[in-house]
Amino acid sequence: NAGVMQNPRHLVRRRGQEARLRCSPMKGHSHVYWYRQLPEEGLKFMVYLQKENIIDESGMPKERFSAEFPKEGPSILRIQQVVRGDSAAYFCASSLQQGPAGNTIYFGEGSWLTVV
Amino acid sequence: SQQGEEDPQALSIQEGENATMNCSYKTSINNLQWYRQNSGRGLVHLILIRSNEREKHSGRLRVTLDTSKKSSSLLITASRAADTASYFCATDALSGANNLFFGTGTRLTVIP
Repeated sequence: NAGVMQNPRHLVRRRGQEARLRCSPMKGHSHVYWYRQLPEEGLKFMVYLQKENIIDESGMPKERFSAEFPKEGPSILRIQQVVRGDSAAYFCASSLQQGPAGNTIYFGEGSWLTVV
Repeated sequence: SQQGEEDPQALSIQEGENATMNCSYKTSINNLQWYRQNSGRGLVHLILIRSNEREKHSGRLRVTLDTSKKSSSLLITASRAADTASYFCATDALSGANNLFFGTGTRLTVIP
């Protein structure tokens, strides 16, 4: 039973390029979350999605960042025109039911983005 | 902000000793979860404790929750070198927000 799968694990982009991070939730999970972790810090919530719907994007930067979770295929976190400050680990998580209340949230191994 | 805070920020102990990490948070919660993160890796879920529970055990882990003090502790007994990692507490929000709020973590080093 595969866990939350993220790819790529490591990604290097030059300033101004686009970064696409992919996440396949655990089998049977339809709730996906994206978090960002800056060096030496805890995780910060970015966005919560269900299939074909963005439920809560209160943690997403207003510009350059977007997320989707299509009916078929993985969830995608897209960062356009990356800047050095976007360098971080991006974690995807999934749960069987909605939200963290009473539900275990399972995390992937993360995608480490480095902007040079 | 509801973000939790772990204490201490860093802890170094000898193998075989017990390690205690504390977490404080600010607003009412439904649950509190503890996670472990090895360097450069993802988060591994350790234990979930609900707001109506006071103590929970899982193997060498013991978690307590004091909602009146808005605090939790994670005790790892008979520590091993493999326990070396960062440990995070994460809370949800009673208001029903869709995300977990993480602290900045405790970096535990277990010296063989």
